[in-house]
Amino acid sequence: KAGVTQTPRYLIKTRGQQVTLSCSPISGHRSVSWYQQTPGQGLQFLFEYFSETQRNKGNFPGRFSGRQFSNSRSEMNVSTLELGDSALYLCASRGQGLETQYFGPGTRLLVL
Amino acid sequence: EDQVTQSPEALRLQEGESSSLNCSYTVSGLRGLFWYRQDPGKGPEFLFTLYSAGEEKEKERLKATLTKKESFLHITAPKPEDSATYLCAVQAGGATNKLIFGTGTLLAVQP
Repeated sequence: KAGVTQTPRYLIKTRGQQVTLSCSPISGHRSVSWYQQTPGQGLQFLFEYFSETQRNKGNFPGRFSGRQFSNSRSEMNVSTLELGDSALYLCASRGQGLETQYFGPGTRLLVL
Repeated sequence: EDQVTQSPEALRLQEGESSSLNCSYTVSGLRGLFWYRQDPGKGPEFLFTLYSAGEEKEKERLKATLTKKESFLHITAPKPEDSATYLCAVQAGGATNKLIFGTGTLLAVQP
């Protein structure tokens, strides 16, 4: 099976812009979670989607949003980018009835 | 508050020198404890899932163990290719699938 894929792999944006990141889970996986990884804070949970519904949300401002499509692909959007949003954004998928989450390669976002 | 603490922050070993990484946790109703390996610029790679105290799992030179308060990742006779950051994460009870991560242990194995 192909693993979790994320696009794009790298992005450079300027403050105030918005960005959309995409994640395709492992085939058959319906749960997708997003995490932000920074050197100072480590990996932090953003939100989780299952069957097109957001089930949980982490402690991030409303500028961070996401959605999931009927084919389980997910997108996350960050509006009004700030310098502190520079990070590696990771997507993870999980199979039904299983606990293990499998991560994609991440999207490296740099905000200038 | 659910929390994960990993130690040491960094570890340098000579090739063949065995050691252990520690992950201590406080969580309400542990559903699972996970070990991942992360290479620079890449996503975390799954290693092990442990569910209950006393459980052990092995893969090549790695062995993970779990008690009620902590987990250990034992590395036996490491090789330079084992150099990476090792991350520990827990999943608490309840309806969430949120993983709570430790800050990781950066392992460097010198030839």
